[in-house]
Amino acid sequence: QSILTQPPSASGTPGQRVTISCSGSTSNIASFYIYWYQHLPGTAPKLLLYRNDLRPSGVPDRFSGSKSGTSASLDISGLRSEDEADYFCATWDDALSGPVFGGGTKLTVL
Amino acid sequence: QVHLQQWGAGLLKASETLSLTCAVDGGSFGGYYWTWLRLSPGKQWEWIGDINYNGATNYNPSLESRVTISIAQSKYQFSLDVRSLTAADTALYFCARGVGYHVPWFDSWGQGTQVTVS
Repeated sequence: QSILTQPPSASGTPGQRVTISCSGSTSNIASFYIYWYQHLPGTAPKLLLYRNDLRPSGVPDRFSGSKSGTSASLDISGLRSEDEADYFCATWDDALSGPVFGGGTKLTVL
Repeated sequence: QVHLQQWGAGLLKASETLSLTCAVDGGSFGGYYWTWLRLSPGKQWEWIGDINYNGATNYNPSLESRVTISIAQSKYQFSLDVRSLTAADTALYFCARGVGYHVPWFDSWGQGTQVTVS
C-alpha cells in the first residue's frame, strides 16, 4: 500500500481535461513540495512538475499542478494520445524520513 | 543533457547479491544525489537510497542493513548492491539523478533493469 493515494485509473478523450489527485497527510504533502512523474512502461520516468507546479524545460504547459493541504493534483488539458501513460506523485515524509510515492494512475486516452 | 545508462544481472536466486551500475554521461557529477529506486510488480515505488559526489550515503531504513551504494568518481559511475535477496526484491530498478537533499526531485533517470529473484 502506497503512502500517497492516487486513483488507479483515469481516462479522457482527445482535447479533454483530466485531473489526477494525490492524497497524503500532514507529515508529507501538507509540509513539503509535491513532484509529478510520467512513466511509459519500458522507458525511463520523466519529471513533469517540480515544487508543486513548476515545469521543467520541454514539458508542455498543458500540464499543471496544484496543492492544497494534504492533497495535490495534476491537471492535463488538451489531452493527446501520447499522454497515455502512468502518472505518479512523490514528496518527502517527515515521519518516515524518506521520499514517499503514490501508487500511480494509469491514464487512458480513449 | 545528462544521460544515465544502467546495467547488471537481472535474474538471481534467493540469498544472492544484486549488483547494478549506473553510468552518467554529460552534465556535472558533483552537486547531485545519485539515487536508486525500484518499482514493485504491485506498482509501488520505493526509494532505496542515494550517494553524493563525496560518497556520503542515505538509505531507506527498511533496506539499509542489506544495501550498499558506492560511487566511482573517475568513471562517472555509481553502483547498488543488495544482499540476501528474497522474492520481495523482485522489481524494476532505476537509477536517477536527485536534484536536492531530502526531496524526491529526480530530473534524469536510467532506463530501468528488471530484477527477478527466484
